[in-house]
Amino acid sequence: GDSVTQKEGLVTLTEGLPVMLNCTYQTIYSNAFLFWYVHYLNESPRLLLKSSTDNKRTEHQGFHATLHKSSSSFHLQKSSAQLSDSALYYCALSGGNEKITFGAGTKLTIKP
Amino acid sequence: GPKVLQIPSHQIIDMGQMVTLNCDPVSNHLYFYWYKQILGQQMEFLVNFYNGKVMEKSKLFKDQFSVERPDGSYFTLKIQPTALEDSAVYFCASRPGRRSQNTLYFGAGTRLSVL
Repeated sequence: GDSVTQKEGLVTLTEGLPVMLNCTYQTIYSNAFLFWYVHYLNESPRLLLKSSTDNKRTEHQGFHATLHKSSSSFHLQKSSAQLSDSALYYCALSGGNEKITFGAGTKLTIKP
Repeated sequence: GPKVLQIPSHQIIDMGQMVTLNCDPVSNHLYFYWYKQILGQQMEFLVNFYNGKVMEKSKLFKDQFSVERPDGSYFTLKIQPTALEDSAVYFCASRPGRRSQNTLYFGAGTRLSVL
């Protein structure tokens, strides 16, 4: 079945440094959608960005990600971290069915 | 943006009792989901529901679990009887319909504590 791997469980960075959160996936479906959801403490998880187009950069709220089907990756990046970026980030996959599979999540902590 | 409401935010019950978790999805959405998150672990898919039927369920969706959405009201997750390992945060989510409209809208979760 589908799977999503987020290798880093915890990432701690200093404000102003670049962010990169890794996501790789496995699916048999060639037209899979990949997502990044962000979950702030005491709020609902919400979509940050998504893509199904190979090699096209997707951007939202200062974050960006590019789906690379050749390497089955969808890494999340930001050029300069802000304190307000501290949250839990989930990579997720929608394959050919209605199930949406989430990775284990990466807790991002930004320090002054 | 669209809101999914989950009621209650926290429920404490004794093992063996029945519990119903309520979700008020976004009004024009057609697909509904429940996810389970044990403290410190990832959010895991339980079940999805469309047109009055369970479409898919995971191994976590035990026989004691059931879902329904009677007459377009709340989308509910019922656990009967509850077990200690059911303690977790349960997230409800909904999405509009076609595969291209596959963004999930989540509620804030219901924390279930089984004693």
